[in-house]
Amino acid sequence: DAEITQSPRHKITETGRQVTLACHQTWNHNNMFWYRQDLGHGLRLIHYSYGVHDTNKGEVSDGYSVSRSNTEDLPLTLESAASSQTSVYFCASNPDRDSYEQYFGPGTRLTVT
Amino acid sequence: GNSVTQMEGPVTLSEEAFLTINCTYTATGYPSLFWYVQYPGEGLQLLLKATKADDKGSNKGFEATYRKETTSFHLEKGSVQVSDSAVYFCALSDLNTGGFKTIFGAGTRLFVKA
Repeated sequence: DAEITQSPRHKITETGRQVTLACHQTWNHNNMFWYRQDLGHGLRLIHYSYGVHDTNKGEVSDGYSVSRSNTEDLPLTLESAASSQTSVYFCASNPDRDSYEQYFGPGTRLTVT
Repeated sequence: GNSVTQMEGPVTLSEEAFLTINCTYTATGYPSLFWYVQYPGEGLQLLLKATKADDKGSNKGFEATYRKETTSFHLEKGSVQVSDSAVYFCALSDLNTGGFKTIFGAGTRLFVKA
């Protein structure tokens, strides 16, 4: 079955370190998204991509970057981790047709100490 | 810009009670509306959707009607079960004004007691 996976599921890192969170989908969807989920804020969009080599900033993109070298993967990099980036991170994808339903991965819980 | 506002939680109900979670939206175009559900430790999954005014989305006993005149998409269920305990997110997408992005409300946590 097609799916979307994230790794690692849990990560503890120190302030200032570079961290990369992986996202992989097997639906062949063109559109992929990264969100962070924090209590009281719902889901906030970090970055998104509408295809290979396409990347766009979301509402909370400072301190994060993404790259899209193939259809299946959209890794999220924290250039220099900060305690404010402690959160749960979700990757999602959807096809670029007339349904806007998003398919979510299981999430990565990141703690920055 | 587009936005979604939903009632704050948590909402605590006894099993078999009636559920309503209010959701209102602001949009400049003609958005599609969604309810997503998040069970503990999992990602969000689509519960139901409606793509135009007066459409009713339904799934697993949950319903929501797209009301353009009141810009609302309230979630209802006639008889909740303990297994419905989760966080519920109202959301919208509008291709013309937001591309394929989805805007989510803050989420409403539901606890159902046996």
